[in-house]
Amino acid sequence: DTEVTQTPKHLVMGMTNKKSLKCEQHMGHRAMYWYKQKAKKPPELMFVYSYEKLSINESVPSRFSPECPNSSLLNLHLHALQPEDSALYLCASSQDPRPFQETQYFGPGTRLLVL
Amino acid sequence: AQSVTQPDIHITVSEGASLELRCNYSYGATPYLFWYVQSPGQGLQLLLKYFSGDTLVQGIKGFEAEFKRSQSSFNLRKPSVHWSDAAEYFCAVVPTDKLIFGTGTRLQVFP
Repeated sequence: DTEVTQTPKHLVMGMTNKKSLKCEQHMGHRAMYWYKQKAKKPPELMFVYSYEKLSINESVPSRFSPECPNSSLLNLHLHALQPEDSALYLCASSQDPRPFQETQYFGPGTRLLVL
Repeated sequence: AQSVTQPDIHITVSEGASLELRCNYSYGATPYLFWYVQSPGQGLQLLLKYFSGDTLVQGIKGFEAEFKRSQSSFNLRKPSVHWSDAAEYFCAVVPTDKLIFGTGTRLQVFP
């Protein structure tokens, strides 16, 4: 099983809402990632978790709050977002603790629209 | 500046024709190299990767890529394109500790 699942597939939220994106993998991978992808652009790294610890934060605004409850789950909590945060949010995972040298498996993404 | 360049924003080919998508990088040492494909509204799927060894790499779906150190290139090829290959293709590199994507090439396939 090389699947990374993400829920929900689509999300519409107002600027005062609080919502969460969820990501799950059962491949025993120890590194998990959040990427943001704007339309017609490549994915941009947001966060990396390695062994359930936050290892990289690419200067992401605090209105995005990641959480890794266990080795299979990764959440992204959203609060007070701006319309420019509308994008496709991709989760990925990889096996090795040297995350960027290993193949990353991507989920289908959550398409977020902030009104 | 260090970068990954995909010079072709949009390529159109006829079904059955051959395909080559270009990727160049500008990093001092040879980075780890990847090609990913993204269908509309979907996540990314790895086509192939190069870490070391044989410079001609075989991937899934009949794709291959050749690493050329002298040209700092990692071009993706397919001898005969199928309509289902229409998608966005991203070259990506890991120079040190981060996966960096090129800007992507959109492939359109005509019957």
